[in-house]
Order: sequence, then structure tokens, then C-alpha cells
Amino acid sequence: ETGVTQSPTHLIKTRGQQVTLRCSSQSGHNTVSWYQQALGQGPQFIFQYYREEENGRGNFPPRFSGLQFPNYSSELNVNALELDDSALYLCASRAKLASNEQFFGPGTRLTVL
Amino acid sequence: EDKVVQSPLSLVVHEGDTVTLNCSYEVTNFRSLLWYKQEKKAPTFLFMLTSSGIEKKSGRLSSILDKKELFSILNITATQTGDSAVYLCAVVTQGGSEKLVFGKGTKLTVNP
Repeated sequence: ETGVTQSPTHLIKTRGQQVTLRCSSQSGHNTVSWYQQALGQGPQFIFQYYREEENGRGNFPPRFSGLQFPNYSSELNVNALELDDSALYLCASRAKLASNEQFFGPGTRLTVL
Repeated sequence: EDKVVQSPLSLVVHEGDTVTLNCSYEVTNFRSLLWYKQEKKAPTFLFMLTSSGIEKKSGRLSSILDKKELFSILNITATQTGDSAVYLCAVVTQGGSEKLVFGKGTKLTVNP
């Protein structure tokens, strides 16, 4: 157990809908990153939040957006869902921006029909 | 573009065998290399490597980094069925977001 929690565990949506995924980071961790892991692939970096501000983004369109709250919990929002958005979404927290070691949550499995 | 390549992609062995998993990388601003084990969902941390030639060891698992040749290996000796998982290699890049760049993983199946 890493102390990082995510909700919901599973989610089924249809194309065009919007979804919000949530992550509670390990206590004291101020940096949260989000990753998308398609079946049979390694996780792909979506973006990172440090002290409530976006601090780096991967090659994902603007319909992927996020928030980090004062308690360092975080949300990932995806608008206008597409079939290819079906994946495991992982969040990872670390104690500070300069820390290499990231602790992953159990993920949210999103299925888009 | 930053790239991490793992090989083999899939491996089936018998209990007791020794396996070597490979990870090569081409990234700008290398900071460190991490190995994770992913059984069902959350990748769990195994090793972090930052210096060449220094072996990290934990029980039957060990790993080493070669920063000149840009690769790392993960060894598992006396494999057990509980070692069956996907093993992910990731490189931390410096500057700005210090994101993880992952390989596709090696799926290891250990049969009794």
C-alpha cells in the first residue's frame, strides 16, 4: 500500500461524455502526476501538478485537464470522451518536485463505449 | 523524442529459473532510472538507479545501470510464481516536470 488512493475504481462512459477522476496523494506529498496506460502499453505522462499549478504536460490534447487542491488531492477531467480514451488512469505522488521516487495509486479503469 | 525500450516484451519460464530483463533508453537530461513491478494495477517501486556500475539488490532481485551504453538490466534469480507480473522500466528526465518516461514493459510468466 502506497497511501495513494484513487476513485472510482472502474467507470463506464459513452463517447462524447465527460469524466472526472480523483486522486488523494500520500500525506505530505505536494506533487502529483497523472498517467494513461492503454492495454499492453507502458504508462504515458499526461501532466503534473505542483502546489496547485500545472508543472509539465505530455502530448495530450486540451480536453484533458486537471486540478490540484490545497490539500494536494487532485482531479483529472476528460471532456468529449473518445473510444481511445479507454485505459487505466494512474496517479502518482511524490514528496517534493525534486524527488525521483513516485508512488502510484491503484488506478481507475475507464471504458468508453 | 525521449524513448525507453524494454526487451523481451514477454517471457515464460519455470520456477527456479533465472531471468534477465533489459531496458535501453534515449532521453535528454537523464536523471535516474526506475524499475517497477505491476501485477494488477498500481506499479510498485523496486529500484532507483542513478550511478553507473553500482548494483542495487533486494532479495532475489538485482539491477544495474550503464550510463555510457544507456541501458539497465533487472535480474531475478530462483524465480517463483509470485514473480509473475509486468516489469516496467522508467527514466526520470530532468528539468521542469521531471516526468517518468516508461517502456512498454516485460510480461513475465513463471510456471510451476
